[in-house]
Amino acid sequence: DGGITQSPKYLFRKEGQNVTLSCEQNLNHDAMYWYRQDPGQGLRLIYYSQIVNDFQKGDIAEGYSVSREKKESFPLTVTSAQKNPTAFYLCASNPGYKNSPLHFGNGTRLTVT
Amino acid sequence: AQSVTQLDSQVPVFEEAPVELRCNYSSSVSVYLFWYVQYPNQGLQLLLKYLSGSTLVESINGFEAEFNKSQTSFHLRKPSVHISDTAEYFCAVSEVDSSYKLIFGSGTRLLVRP
Repeated sequence: DGGITQSPKYLFRKEGQNVTLSCEQNLNHDAMYWYRQDPGQGLRLIYYSQIVNDFQKGDIAEGYSVSREKKESFPLTVTSAQKNPTAFYLCASNPGYKNSPLHFGNGTRLTVT
Repeated sequence: AQSVTQLDSQVPVFEEAPVELRCNYSSSVSVYLFWYVQYPNQGLQLLLKYLSGSTLVESINGFEAEFNKSQTSFHLRKPSVHISDTAEYFCAVSEVDSSYKLIFGSGTRLLVRP
């Protein structure tokens, strides 16, 4: 079955450490996205990529970085510059054409103490 | 700028009762509209979408939503809910000319009680 795999499901880090969240898709989708979810705030877009080797900042990109070296993979690094990194992170993808809905992974819950 | 408002953070309802989850959006251009459902500790799943044409759209599990352009609303309804419908529901909007960017509402938690 095609889908999006996010790993790990739970991640714990100490403050000041960078951490990388994995996102892999086998849907052959061109576009991939990273969202952050906080209670009562819905989803906010961190970064998105519409094609390999290209990506754009979303609404809350500060303190995060991404790469898109392969079509299937879109890892997100949460850097020590992110002021409040504890959250639920969701990766999504779609074919990239207009009005195509997003397919989501099951998320990674990051806790930084 | 576009925005999405879900006024109800939580909606408790008894099993087999009808339910309506409200969604209003703000945009100066034509939009696509979506409802997603999220079960605990999972990602979001598409429930239904409005792209064009008939203003009433339906999902396979009995939900429906109606696009009302004059009221800029896209409320989600179900005539009889089940325990298994307990989840969080998100309304989302994207502009027709820039649909790479989806704006989400803050979500409504539907709590179905026996």
